[in-house]
Amino acid sequence: EPEVTQTPSHQVTQMGQEVILRCVPISNHLYFYWYRQILGQKVEFLVSFYNNEISEKSEIFDDQFSVERPDGSNFTLKIRSTKLEDSAMYFCASESLYEQYFGPGTRLTVT
Amino acid sequence: GENVEQHPSTLSVQEGDSAVIKCTYSDSASNYFPWYKQELGKRPQLIIDIRSNVGEKKDQRIAVTLNKTAKHFSLHITETQPEDSAVYFCAASHLSGNTPLVFGKGTRLSVIA
Repeated sequence: EPEVTQTPSHQVTQMGQEVILRCVPISNHLYFYWYRQILGQKVEFLVSFYNNEISEKSEIFDDQFSVERPDGSNFTLKIRSTKLEDSAMYFCASESLYEQYFGPGTRLTVT
Repeated sequence: GENVEQHPSTLSVQEGDSAVIKCTYSDSASNYFPWYKQELGKRPQLIIDIRSNVGEKKDQRIAVTLNKTAKHFSLHITETQPEDSAVYFCAASHLSGNTPLVFGKGTRLSVIA
């Protein structure tokens, strides 16, 4: 059964550095999402993406964040200048028939 | 916007007993309610969902019920097993595609053998 994949599984970065988190959604899915989960808390929506543009974004998704689908398979989340509070698990999800399937996540640690 | 409340935050049951987790939502336009199971350090996995045109859905040992009038929905797990131990999240959304899920805070279920 196809799954959403994400790389890297763990990223450690220093405050102020740029990070790019990568996702490969399930191939025939059209809608893509990024969510984040701070340790021990609920999953929070960041941004949704369809037809090569952002459909919706939350308050968390400020100017430091951007998303891109550079080719037919990858979907990336970039954080331009990381802050300590960006430390979280970042999940990519792709959707088919209203059902969203999550990737294994990237644990981002900002020091 | 939508707000989803989930209770209890932790739940311990003996193996073989039933477990019930309850959620309420605020947006009457929400019509899609999935449940996710998240084991420690792993991805949330969709285990069952219900759409607002039905009041109940069952899949083996798990069932979901939906009360649209009261705006609440519940997850029922019968004959619990140790491998059911995980954090369970409810969520709400619209059946319109490309709509973000709004999650509850999660319930940590422990099944004691």
